[in-house]
Amino acid sequence: QQQVKQSPQSLIVQKGGISIINCAYENTAFDYLPWYQQFPGKGPALLIAIRPDVSEKKEGRFTISFNKSAKQFSLHIMDSQPGDSATYFCAASIEGSSGSARQLTFGSGTQLTVLP
Amino acid sequence: SQTIHQWPATLVQPVGSPLSLECTVEGTSNPNLYWYRQAAGRGLQLLFYSVGIGQISSEVPQNLSASRPQDRQFILSSKKLLLSDSGFYLCAWRGTSVGEQFFGPGTRLTVL
Repeated sequence: QQQVKQSPQSLIVQKGGISIINCAYENTAFDYLPWYQQFPGKGPALLIAIRPDVSEKKEGRFTISFNKSAKQFSLHIMDSQPGDSATYFCAASIEGSSGSARQLTFGSGTQLTVLP
Repeated sequence: SQTIHQWPATLVQPVGSPLSLECTVEGTSNPNLYWYRQAAGRGLQLLFYSVGIGQISSEVPQNLSASRPQDRQFILSSKKLLLSDSGFYLCAWRGTSVGEQFFGPGTRLTVL
């Protein structure tokens, strides 16, 4: 089954701290692992993504760490800021079969609150 | 650059009434388009996707239907709304890089 399990459900971090959100997947055929950031009342925005052929990807304060053998990937937000307070979703994608579209399977989301 | 629009932004409808939500994409041709629903405090549930005009695939059997009358237009409909249809409806299109999807601003639907 194509599931993506995300934890924790909610996270509170002090300003300047490190926020860590984890995701685990089951289907080893997933070949694209993105993270989305969603502010209240807005659509999710692509934050950062990784392919399974690398173990880490960093973009500014955001880093994805990927453990292929454990089938886990995590988002690390360094120097967390109050403006990072949002809901974060991990997702996993696999190419569709002929005539079908590539689909994203989303985790359940983590509500991050960064205290000033 | 590509942009995605959704209309309306918010909607309050009585149970049993019809529904029509519209999504349009600009700046790209023949995109894969997707409809998702997000219940309050929950993740995103894929409802429909389309790889081209007139081509609709349904992921979840339900009270809703989708249509793609034009390349850049994707419509979500219902003949009779249920209370359980309330939620935040998001349209997305597939970008040029593998796997990436870009979301519209969403429509908040409340069924009373």
